[in-house]
This record gives sequence, structure tokens and C-alpha cells, in this order.
Amino acid sequence: GAGVSQSPRYKVAKRGQDVALRCDPISGHVSLFWYQQALGQGPEFLTYFQNEAQLDKSGLPSDRFFAERPEGSVSTLKIQRTQQEDSAVYLCASSLLNLNTEAFFGQGTRLTVV
Amino acid sequence: AQKVTQAQTEISVVEKEDVTLDCVYETRDTTYYLFWYKQPPSGELVFLIRRNSFDEQNEISGRYSWNFQKSTSSFNFTITASQVVDSAVYFCALSESGRSSSNTGKLIFGQGTTLQVKP
Repeated sequence: GAGVSQSPRYKVAKRGQDVALRCDPISGHVSLFWYQQALGQGPEFLTYFQNEAQLDKSGLPSDRFFAERPEGSVSTLKIQRTQQEDSAVYLCASSLLNLNTEAFFGQGTRLTVV
Repeated sequence: AQKVTQAQTEISVVEKEDVTLDCVYETRDTTYYLFWYKQPPSGELVFLIRRNSFDEQNEISGRYSWNFQKSTSSFNFTITASQVVDSAVYFCALSESGRSSSNTGKLIFGQGTTLQVKP
């Protein structure tokens, strides 16, 4: 596609429910990032993939958060047993290389946990 | 530790005014990159500029200009003759160099500055 596509755009989950957020990066982009953006805050790094390898998951807040990119293209961020503090916008970004090149962001998935 | 501070939470100006958004950063690396992104109400972050730490030349792109001063660890962004379409949240971000094998190019963002341009 022309840009980074994320789905769903909006997700409401009951506390304790599992959710899966999808990211379709720009075709051919090696690097893929997930960020979490709380209301009124800047995005915060969650995890990074280079092709299918998850090279950095230092930003994942707990073991309830899991990300994968099995074929080096589409990525899924899964949150198990959601809690209210997980409510945020989850942004995906991709870039051609990982050497601090321009990252292209999707529109994000707004997750609300009730 | 790396940190980016955007002290201005919200700025409101009238159309055609000039406005400067401040950004101060902290890093122990000697090689790093600085970015500005715009986040309109639709939500996606739009890339505006990337500068590396060795290039302190100021840059101008149309109504946008950037002032990078290593001595004060600042990378400020000025919009000249602001327009209503400039209304958005603007983020400054820092990324460390690619020399380290552990470097991922992840961005450290500031809190953002909400710019409102009134007609």
C-alpha cells in the first residue's frame, strides 16, 4: 500500500479481554516499530523488528504485551488481560532501514479499556 | 539517558503570526539525530525534518525553518506567517547513532506542543 495501515482504528475492550492490533507496513520496509501514546503525551517506544527478528522489546510494559512479525511484513501487537492503564493510541511505524532514516507512521489504533 | 523536553504545552497565535516551538534534548552520545513530526487531528505522525548532530546548519523549507544549536542542546522550529492548516501537535524527537549494534533507530519523543492558529 501507499502508507502504513493499522487496524482496527478504534477498539473498545472490557477489562480482562485480549486484543490484537494489526500493522501493515510499507512494502519493502525492513524496520518496524510499535509505540504507545497516552492521551496528551508523546509516543513511547514499545518494540522494534528488523524483518522478522524482534531485536528490541525493552519498551514493552509487561509480559501481557506481545508482538510478532512472522514473515517480516505484517506485524501484530497482542495485549492479554487488558487493564485500564492500557488505554492509549498504539502507533506503528516502518522505515526502509534502521539507520535513523525517516519513519512513516500509521494513523494508530485507539484502544479504550472499560 | 536520552531525554527530549518541549516546555511549551500549548501555543495559540493568530494567522500570519510567526511562531517558534522550542525543543531541548539530552544525550550522552556524540552522534545522534533530531527530528520534528507533526500530528494533525487525524492521528498519524507526519515527518518534517531530520538532522544529524554533525550538521549544525540551519535549514529553511518554505515557511518552516529549524535552528540547531549544539551548544545549548536545542533544536527549535519556527513557522513563518502561520496558517490555520498549521494547527496540530508538534513533536521533537531524538534518536542515537547507528554505530552501536544495539541501536534500533527508536525515537525518544518530547511531550509535544499543541499549536492552535486562529483565523
